[in-house]
Amino acid sequence: AQKVTQAQTEISVVEKEDVTLDCVYETRDTTYYLFWYKQPPSGELVFLIRRNSFDEQNEISGRYSWNFQKSTSSFNFTITASQVVDSAVYFCALSETNSGYALNFGKGTSLLVTP
Amino acid sequence: KAGVTQTPRYLIKTRGQQVTLSCSPISGHRSVSWYQQTPGQGLQFLFEYFSETQRNKGNFPGRFSGRQFSNSRSEMNVSTLELGDSALYLCASKSEPYSNQPQHFGDGTRLSIL
Repeated sequence: AQKVTQAQTEISVVEKEDVTLDCVYETRDTTYYLFWYKQPPSGELVFLIRRNSFDEQNEISGRYSWNFQKSTSSFNFTITASQVVDSAVYFCALSETNSGYALNFGKGTSLLVTP
Repeated sequence: KAGVTQTPRYLIKTRGQQVTLSCSPISGHRSVSWYQQTPGQGLQFLFEYFSETQRNKGNFPGRFSGRQFSNSRSEMNVSTLELGDSALYLCASKSEPYSNQPQHFGDGTRLSIL
């Protein structure tokens, strides 16, 4: 069963629009970590953020913000005032102790930002 | 600091052949993991190596194997290649295993099976 669900396969926005990428996860661990990675066309996965299960504080980094809600098992990612350079595939991933901390990725959301 | 380096970037093989991919982790990183990315299955964990020992393994057949050298560099080998092995193979490193430190990925090796 898929442990990380990214329901949005593709999103297309116009530059300067705000966009939210959804991530829902499933785990029985009490201690776990959630990650977001960005994959540009070059293929490299670029680390964006890590959040542990005990820290529900939202985080903002420039135009990026993350909303972690344990009650709904969600870890959503918002890009404010999107730019063309934000076009990429974004992956949400779960890391659990009982899987040896291997990353369990969602299917990814392909974001296209047009001028 | 140099990032994770994977070689080669592209490979074309035929069914039945075997292939070896190489990964050099970030300097100081001792844990190396491998992932397979395909359009159908997405990103899937293959295995993790630390101190020249496999520490964790995903759900892949025995045709997929790996090893790690004393300098932390890692190789993965796929034997008896099948069409379904066509994928982007990504290597990731972090300083220690059994931790939730972020993994840093290389650009990948794109393997095509004819």
